[in-house]
Amino acid sequence: DAGITQSPRHKVTETGTPVTLRCHQTENHRYMYWYRQDPGHGLRLIHYSYGVKDTDKGEVSDGYSVSRSKTEDFLLTLESATSSQTSVYFCAISDPGTGIEKLFFGSGTQLSVL
Amino acid sequence: DQQVKQNSPSLSVQEGRISILNCDYTNSMFDYFLWYKKYPAEGPTFLISISSIKDKNEDGRFTVFLNKSAKHLSLHIVPSQPGDSAVYFCAASWRDAGNMLTFGGGTRLMVKP
Repeated sequence: DAGITQSPRHKVTETGTPVTLRCHQTENHRYMYWYRQDPGHGLRLIHYSYGVKDTDKGEVSDGYSVSRSKTEDFLLTLESATSSQTSVYFCAISDPGTGIEKLFFGSGTQLSVL
Repeated sequence: DQQVKQNSPSLSVQEGRISILNCDYTNSMFDYFLWYKKYPAEGPTFLISISSIKDKNEDGRFTVFLNKSAKHLSLHIVPSQPGDSAVYFCAASWRDAGNMLTFGGGTRLMVKP
């Protein structure tokens, strides 16, 4: 298994509260990603990072922010959680030039916003 | 609008038979296609891929076929095994997209013993 740890694995929170999800990798990969998985939509890219302090928006970035202060950590923050952000969140890592198949996913965080 | 679509949310197959999972795409720029497999409570894992310069790629029991004119690809699993029961995601990318993938909605495959 690729060394990717997501925390927490499960979280229940209330609408309007801030939430931070953490992704930690031990592979020293340069690229990190946050996806969300919803029924019928597959996985959709929220934000990604191509290096420390270098991040960019993905397909569904509204309501989310990210930070990457160290190579190994990529944080996803929901500033004010809404019920539409109930989803399973996956972190992924890759290295440029290693081929697109080399995209490794964490085990996911199940987030419920009540 | 979804650029990659998997129109069958679920598929049930008998053990030993062939499983065929389908995927359609709309973006002509896509030139690389992948299938991922996902078990419950785990992240997706890479299964097989195909470049647009090919129309078939085979890896053991898994074969992916690409029909560029129809913008359609399919994953064949022969013979199907109960351990193949999972959700399968089709994904697509293009040369200058780096490692950015666009995923389909997934198909849940159930292989019955």
